[in-house]
Amino acid sequence: DQQVKQNSPSLSVQEGRISILNCDYTNSMFDYFLWYKKYPAEGPTFLISISSIKDKNEDGRFTVFLNKSAKHLSLHIVPSQPGDSAVYFCAASAGTDSGGYQKVTFGTGTKLQVIP
Amino acid sequence: NAGVMQNPRHLVRRRGQEARLRCSPMKGHSHVYWYRQLPEEGLKFMVYLQKENIIDESGMPKERFSAEFPKEGPSILRIQQVVRGDSAAYFCASSPDSPSTDTQYFGPGTRLTVL
Repeated sequence: DQQVKQNSPSLSVQEGRISILNCDYTNSMFDYFLWYKKYPAEGPTFLISISSIKDKNEDGRFTVFLNKSAKHLSLHIVPSQPGDSAVYFCAASAGTDSGGYQKVTFGTGTKLQVIP
Repeated sequence: NAGVMQNPRHLVRRRGQEARLRCSPMKGHSHVYWYRQLPEEGLKFMVYLQKENIIDESGMPKERFSAEFPKEGPSILRIQQVVRGDSAAYFCASSPDSPSTDTQYFGPGTRLTVL
């Protein structure tokens, strides 16, 4: 049961253009969402997150949008740079407001290639 | 501040042998998580530990796999009698003492190959 889905396994974008990575989830209890970036032979690194009380969070070139009614979030990278080429994982967890632990569920990843 | 460390980075075992994967969390972090990434798949949660306690092992296979996080020393993921299907990248992550954050810091992973 894949609760976090990234339906596009790969994406190619020209340098300078916008990259849009999509993620859908099925568990309505999820209330905290994260994006991780992973280079080959390295561990994932945290990129940006968003709480369910917001619909947008921006950090430099990276913006995450959350549409709770559609159970959909997206990561926008503008402008895209060759160094952004990596695998991007969407992740979600539930119950963070309680201060308690909740397991983080990861999607299968989207491999982004930014073409110079 | 050193990041999460995992060793070995690469591990080769023959079927039936034991594999021990080590993870040292970031300084000041007492929460450790293990994930497995099979080829062409995403990260799958295995187990969450705090010092000397297993909090959630719902992702661990019922047999052959065990994990510990002793009071002193690194966290250990142990796989007994390995099979070819255990070949994967195993990632460890840690998070700060506060349980309210879900930002996990990952190590570089251990790539296990079972011959």
